[in-house]
Amino acid sequence: RKEVEQDPGPFNVPEGATVAFNCTYSNSASQSFFWYRQDCRKEPKLLMSVYSSGNEDGRFTAQLNRASQYISLLIRDSKLSDSATYLCVVNRVGSNYQLIWGAGTKLIIKP
Amino acid sequence: DGGITQSPKYLFRKEGQNVTLSCEQNLNHDAMYWYRQDPGQGLRLIYYSQIVNDFQKGDIAEGYSVSREKKESFPLTVTSAQKNPTAFYLCASRSTRQGVNTEAFFGQGTRLTVV
Repeated sequence: RKEVEQDPGPFNVPEGATVAFNCTYSNSASQSFFWYRQDCRKEPKLLMSVYSSGNEDGRFTAQLNRASQYISLLIRDSKLSDSATYLCVVNRVGSNYQLIWGAGTKLIIKP
Repeated sequence: DGGITQSPKYLFRKEGQNVTLSCEQNLNHDAMYWYRQDPGQGLRLIYYSQIVNDFQKGDIAEGYSVSREKKESFPLTVTSAQKNPTAFYLCASRSTRQGVNTEAFFGQGTRLTVV
């Protein structure tokens, strides 16, 4: 089993819709979780950190489910500019320094 | 402006050549990383460094070498021993003083092609 797994998609979603995707992680002791956004041929940029209590930033909501070992990202009222690949990131247990990256979920918002 | 600068943006290498990718940061971050990304894949860790004059192998270190002589700089050399070097290379840095929930900042990447 991979340490971090994501559905590669693509998710094709009409503009204005709500879309959600999950990311599963294998080590229950993981402590740090992030969602990054990567545009085509660009570097990843932080979208949001994921906290135990869940967190929201505008149209984006991230949640952590420790019992089932997954994090989720919900995007409401999707915009064309939300089209990108969304990368899930988890710290490697035993190391504050190493991050493990999922392969990403590709999201395409259609007009 | 603080940030990470990678150069060059595009690099072409002949078979059998060593090439060095530059990464400089002025964020005063202790930790620096090199990742490789292939099309449709996630980021794979090549090397990382927690402090000056120290670095650790990542998951795919074979065929690569690094140095960390200054806090600001973490160059990556792709040697001729790396048989399939064509990829997108990303350098990142991260503060390690504020606990585990600190984000990684990336340079704009170097796209290396073997010709």
